[in-house]
Amino acid sequence: QVQLQESGPGLVKPAQTLSLTCSVSGGSMNSGGNYWSWIRQHPGRGLEWIGYIYYSGGTYYNPSLKNRVTILLDTTKNQFSLRLSSVTAADTAVYYCAREISMVRGNWFDPWGQGTLVTVSS
Amino acid sequence: DIQLTQSPSNLSASLGDRVIITCRASQSISDWLAWYQQKPGKAPKLLIYKTSSLETGVPSRFSGSGSGTEFTLTISSLQPEDFATYYCQQFWTFGQGTKVDIK
Repeated sequence: QVQLQESGPGLVKPAQTLSLTCSVSGGSMNSGGNYWSWIRQHPGRGLEWIGYIYYSGGTYYNPSLKNRVTILLDTTKNQFSLRLSSVTAADTAVYYCAREISMVRGNWFDPWGQGTLVTVSS
Repeated sequence: DIQLTQSPSNLSASLGDRVIITCRASQSISDWLAWYQQKPGKAPKLLIYKTSSLETGVPSRFSGSGSGTEFTLTISSLQPEDFATYYCQQFWTFGQGTKVDIK
């Protein structure tokens, strides 16, 4: 059974780059139809999809964040990572990694990591 | 971009109540929709995918239906562990959430 676990700094200074890693266990990242996503949740708010990476290395980002987001893949370590540059207090959120199961007619996210709170503050 | 609007945003209900949450899409893109349950301090948990398919291990009191632009999540008899926030999702958009609490 696939499990995901986020890791990375819980505190980032304004204007710096937020970096998180998601470790995948219990399955291969190279399965077709599986996309590896980052999703965030601002305190007390709803869910915002950030972007995904496919096992081939292809990526797709939320247009509202695409200028600042990079998602990278390391299949040798069964990990994928998130880089969000030029952060501000508005990027303070719980960041989740999740597997996206995607088909022509739609998609869903399962499983999710436990989430990690990242606070942007000097 | 598609927008998903859930109603109600907050819902107070009693144990044993039948609860219905609606998710309306701003346009009809797909007949597939997913539903998640989130409890405080926890990650969202997939309940239903492909509009009406129950995720393994999810109690049968949960059901989903709909098509086009209107979808529903129904809890047939509310249990104590069901008090949570529920989100719908289609492609890369989530609804704003519906918080179900105790009446």
